Amino acid sequence: QLQLQESGPGLVKPSETLSLTCTVSGGSISSRSYYWGWIRQPPGKGLEWIGSINYSGSTYHNPSLKSRVTISVETSKNQFSLKLSSVTAADTAVYYCARDQGYNWNLAPLYYFDYWGQGTLVTVSS
Amino acid sequence: QSALTQPASVSGSPGQSITISCTGTSSDVGHYDYVSWYQQHPGKAPKLMIYDVRKRPSGVSNRFSGSKSGNTASLTISGLQAEDEADYYCSSYTSSSTLVFGGGTKLTVL
Repeated sequence: QLQLQESGPGLVKPSETLSLTCTVSGGSISSRSYYWGWIRQPPGKGLEWIGSINYSGSTYHNPSLKSRVTISVETSKNQFSLKLSSVTAADTAVYYCARDQGYNWNLAPLYYFDYWGQGTLVTVSS
Repeated sequence: QSALTQPASVSGSPGQSITISCTGTSSDVGHYDYVSWYQQHPGKAPKLMIYDVRKRPSGVSNRFSGSKSGNTASLTISGLQAEDEADYYCSSYTSSSTLVFGGGTKLTVL
């Protein structure tokens, strides 16, 4: 059974960089069949897609966050990571990592997230 | 990209059917059949319920069905059960090869 687990600091200071890692178990992140994504949810609010990456490092980003987001993959550790720079209180959210079912006709992600991590709350505060 | 538009809340009694709408534009919902729906219970991760507008992942009850007309997608839940009470989110692929979610709908089972 595929499992994903987010890890990283639960508290980040304003203007600093938020860093999270998603560790995948029960399956290989090197599979050419999937993309892997980050989604966040501010407390009491809706879902927001952050970005997605595949095994080769091909990435897609939410345009509203693109200038601050870096997503990378480390196949040797079966992990992928998120860095969000210059954070503010508005970046306080539960951050989820998830597996995307695959590719569409355009070789872009399908954006169908079928396996999710449990989520990790990151609070931006001094 | 703007969020897809969903009603903030819907409600229904056990056994009834409800429909949640999800309105986008000709650059997302109206142009692609890459629409999905997620169910989220409080404190839990979202669960994929519908993809490709109307397909159900293995294990999802056939009480859940999806459809699309023009720029609006819909999720219908028939035979409402108490366990269906949750938040529901739609999402769509966009012409920029990105993803946009709806604002979410809270379903209350009366």
